[in-house]
Amino acid sequence: QSALTQPRSVSGSPGQSVTISCTGTSSDVGGYNYVSWYQQHPGKAPKLMIYDVSKRPSGVPDRFSGSKSGNTASLTISGLQAEDEADYYCCSYAGSYIVVFGGGTKLTVL
Amino acid sequence: EVQLVESGGGLVQPGGSLRLSCAASGFTFSSYWMSWVRQAPGKGLEWVANIKQDGSEKYYVDSVKGRFTISRDNAKNSLYLQMNSLRAEDTAVYYCARVLGWWLTPDYWGQGTLVTVSS
Repeated sequence: QSALTQPRSVSGSPGQSVTISCTGTSSDVGGYNYVSWYQQHPGKAPKLMIYDVSKRPSGVPDRFSGSKSGNTASLTISGLQAEDEADYYCCSYAGSYIVVFGGGTKLTVL
Repeated sequence: EVQLVESGGGLVQPGGSLRLSCAASGFTFSSYWMSWVRQAPGKGLEWVANIKQDGSEKYYVDSVKGRFTISRDNAKNSLYLQMNSLRAEDTAVYYCARVLGWWLTPDYWGQGTLVTVSS
């Protein structure tokens, strides 16, 4: 039950694109297409942004996209906006009815 | 509208017990797996426990096995977390979350309730 590995921080200017990586193992990220991504603003509850690697819930802007290659999943935010500044967490099914989260990435919009 | 409202958090001494509750509305509670996820101050998210729709299956992170018990009452649309033998490292905001299917992706989250374990 080890946490997935995310960069501690990323940054970008308004209008640019940023990508956040999430590295696991063949027992979690690499073994299942059940990776999700969450946005969390300070003092707020997490919000689901991407599920099943690349699907967007209703209401999430198409600027947010997800992908996976091997044991690494990625969240890409294009056309960066000020309100995108937040913490982002990845999450993966890890078999045996357990899930594991990443350590979180702080996105700064410059 | 899906709503999840946690309650029951507070200050407790090491070794003490606390029971968290989560009141669900806006969806058919008995049709969904449910989870508890926690977040220590300034730290990341940590999955704590899952429970199947009918309560027949329960799963826990290793660090709480034998101390925490997840349960639900589908007649009351409520989820619970009984926490015993609490430790300082259990201090966190505890979130109740609805889960998408057996692959256990949390989709809707409550606002959280703070549990502080300290003497």
